[in-house]
Amino acid sequence: GNSVTQMEGPVTLSEEAFLTINCTYTATGYPSLFWYVQYPGEGLQLLLKATKADDKGSNKGFEATYRKETTSFHLEKGSVQVSDSAVYFCALGPSGGGADGLTFGKGTHLIIQP
Amino acid sequence: DVKVTQSSRYLVKRTGEKVFLECVQDMDHENMFWYRQDPGLGLRLIYFSYDVKMKEKGDIPEGYSVSREKKERFSLILESASTNQTSMYLCASSLIGGSNQPQHFGDGTRLSIL
Repeated sequence: GNSVTQMEGPVTLSEEAFLTINCTYTATGYPSLFWYVQYPGEGLQLLLKATKADDKGSNKGFEATYRKETTSFHLEKGSVQVSDSAVYFCALGPSGGGADGLTFGKGTHLIIQP
Repeated sequence: DVKVTQSSRYLVKRTGEKVFLECVQDMDHENMFWYRQDPGLGLRLIYFSYDVKMKEKGDIPEGYSVSREKKERFSLILESASTNQTSMYLCASSLIGGSNQPQHFGDGTRLSIL
């Protein structure tokens, strides 16, 4: 079945550092890929998505590229801020194109220190 | 913006009680989902529904049931609550249309079973 592997952390960085959160997946077919962010006490918010190979999703300075050859969707940001502290989830859409749920990684807790 | 509203942010119930968690979405989405979120396990799909009165089991349906009598409302039912169902419960909705439709989440219900 489908699965997602991501570093769990916590990942601690200083403000303005470069961020990479690794995400790799196993899937049948070519599902869409998503990054969600969860701020303390809140639900998940969609951060960005990519629907096919070589697509780059971007939002709020974050980027991720759908790499079919390495089955990866790593999240990057050039200069992080304290307000980026949150838990980040990589997720895989259903392979069959149906209404099934997303497959999530376990989440990466990111802590940005001033 | 899509709004997914969960009826309670925090809920405390006793072992053996029947518990209802309610979720309402305001964007006429066909698909609705219930997940539970646990530390170290990420999000796991309990049930989903792609239409009124339709339901499908997710990865961990045991001990739960659902009801979808109206398109905008999806209820999760714990038939006889147990302590191992203490968790954060997240409701989500999405448009029909395959893998590339993102899911929109509510803020979650933190349920404690004593």
